[in-house]
Amino acid sequence: GGIITQTPKFLIGQEGQKLTLKCQQNFNHDTMYWYRQDSGKGLRLIYYSITENDLQKGDLSEGYDASREKKSSFSLTVTSAQKNEMAVFLCASSIKGAGNTLYFGEGSRLIVV
Amino acid sequence: GEQVEQRPPHLSVREGDSAFIICTYTDSATAYFYWYKQEPGAGLQLLMSVFSNVDRKEEQGLTVLLNKKDKRLSLNLTAAHPGDSAVYFCAVIPYTGYQNFYFGKGTSLTVIP
Repeated sequence: GGIITQTPKFLIGQEGQKLTLKCQQNFNHDTMYWYRQDSGKGLRLIYYSITENDLQKGDLSEGYDASREKKSSFSLTVTSAQKNEMAVFLCASSIKGAGNTLYFGEGSRLIVV
Repeated sequence: GEQVEQRPPHLSVREGDSAFIICTYTDSATAYFYWYKQEPGAGLQLLMSVFSNVDRKEEQGLTVLLNKKDKRLSLNLTAAHPGDSAVYFCAVIPYTGYQNFYFGKGTSLTVIP
């Protein structure tokens, strides 16, 4: 088995600040994802990456940057934190290819003060 | 793009009763279907996945039905117990965007002892 580790679990920042979330996986999966989870809105895709140095925008990419430095890690940056961005950010990974299962980390909660 | 509607948003059942959750989707080319469970403070955990050529799948007290004509996916938990209390999400993938999962907004299930 493997694990997805997200850090930090809670990230507190000020409005306008640039904030970064990190994700590591030891499944040796090709594809990694960042989702945003808002209460009552389900999960919305921000970015995904199908291999190192690849980035694909999801439906919610505006206001975010991402970086796939190596196969095992995928980071997400909120470029200018806003109070309406307080949400849980979930990292996931999967084997490349159609229909493969997503494995999720435990989430990082962003709090903007 | 694909639209996924999930209902009900909240569901309370007594221990031993069944819990029934429905998702509808819009893209007739949708290929893969998933049900995930999220416990408090945790990421999403896969419960069951089905490919589009499967109409019914049963595993460990869970039944997934897929009605492609009506574009409807359902999850039935038979004999629910308090440990089943969690948020449940459906997710689908269209053939054309095999890396892009579309999630329902979730159903918060409470099983009353």
